Amino acid sequence: GAVVSQHPSWVICKSGTSVKIECRSLDFQATTMFWYRQFPKQSLMLMATSNEGSKATYEQGVEKDKFLINHASLTLSTLTVTSAHPEDSSFYICSASRGPTDTQYFGPGTRLTVL
Amino acid sequence: AQRVTQPEKLLSVFKGAPVELKCNYSYSGSPELFWYVQYSRQRLQLLLRHISRESIKGFTADLNKGETSFHLKKPFAQEEDSAMYYCALRGSGGYNKLIFGAGTRLAVHP
Repeated sequence: GAVVSQHPSWVICKSGTSVKIECRSLDFQATTMFWYRQFPKQSLMLMATSNEGSKATYEQGVEKDKFLINHASLTLSTLTVTSAHPEDSSFYICSASRGPTDTQYFGPGTRLTVL
Repeated sequence: AQRVTQPEKLLSVFKGAPVELKCNYSYSGSPELFWYVQYSRQRLQLLLRHISRESIKGFTADLNKGETSFHLKKPFAQEEDSAMYYCALRGSGGYNKLIFGAGTRLAVHP
């Protein structure tokens, strides 16, 4: 058990458009989901933490209006990159945990390319 | 400040050789330390956590609070161990935020 999926696995979009990425916990209920960003050959940087039914907590330097996070159910969180620009191109990874101190299970990631 | 440092970007060894992936951390309280592994074209997965004190796939890691280190070790490397390894820290206080190191790529040659 403890499988996390992401959709899409990759997406290419034009500059100025918005892109939505889904993160689902397939076989468990995730009270907390996390969104990370990973640049090539670099580590994962936490963008925000979302708890089901409440507003996401963003890390310092992450624009809330740029990266909209919704965690409407215990199995789904979405990240919307609004008005995407080429510098938003990156690998976005989500993780989910059953509770605040439980193990985080990671999704396979979504590669976003903004032209 | 909370920080995880993995000084080596790449560690290249031959099959059967011992392996030590270094991890040092900076944290004022009592953190929890983890090692995550990412095999080629696969997702990140938990390898081990210091509170479990278990050995997974022959890997062990001991938390040294005096040296603020959590080095990952394996006595005899296998080719299938080739992967990206990330050390991560979680602070105390019940908040599940993970801080990752930059990662070390382990390449085990036949």
